[in-house]
Amino acid sequence: GAGVSQSPSNKVTEKGKDVELRCDPISGHTALYWYRQRLGQGLEFLIYFQGNSAPDKSGLPSDRFSAERTGESVSTLTIQRTQQEDSAVYLCASSLSGGSSYEQYFGPGTRLTVT
Amino acid sequence: DQQVKQNSPSLSVQEGRISILNCDYTNSMFDYFLWYKKYPAEGPTFLISISSIKDKNEDGRFTVFLNKSAKHLSLHIVPSQPGDSAVYFCAASLYTGANSKLTFGKGITLSVRP
Repeated sequence: GAGVSQSPSNKVTEKGKDVELRCDPISGHTALYWYRQRLGQGLEFLIYFQGNSAPDKSGLPSDRFSAERTGESVSTLTIQRTQQEDSAVYLCASSLSGGSSYEQYFGPGTRLTVT
Repeated sequence: DQQVKQNSPSLSVQEGRISILNCDYTNSMFDYFLWYKKYPAEGPTFLISISSIKDKNEDGRFTVFLNKSAKHLSLHIVPSQPGDSAVYFCAASLYTGANSKLTFGKGITLSVRP
């Protein structure tokens, strides 16, 4: 079946603009995660969705970042008033459930460049 | 404060030899450890994992060892193949009863020379 897909694959935006990144998880996966990877760094957790539960937003770096998920399907990550330090690869992952032993499947990522 | 550390940024080995990738962590509450492999322009793909109640897990050419007292794990690849050349991320999971977000190291770039 299809894996996790993300769009766009690349996004170049001017400082101060808003951007919206999209993630389509694997069908049937109830858990969805957003991470970001800055240059030379590991992946940083941003936000987690599990079914209809309230999302875990503990990794969002500022209130300019927000994310939504419709049921157990598509998720969008929105960054308002982008800054140059927001430049990174944003990765989405999904898993069957939120437990530790459930493998997370990653999408190819969206490379965001803020000029 | 990095909770998962991969102190060596790169490793180069000869084809056929063993590759040993190391990872250290600081949070003793982590309950699951995973290795992910990443090729350029692709998302990370799961490679192998180990529960904190075990000290070894083997899958084909890949073996992960966990030393809880030292808060250290390692990934052994034997024999190494050129197709193994990629960035390898060590990750640790902390299940809070709500979710199991992963904490990643910075990754290590493995190059396997033909």
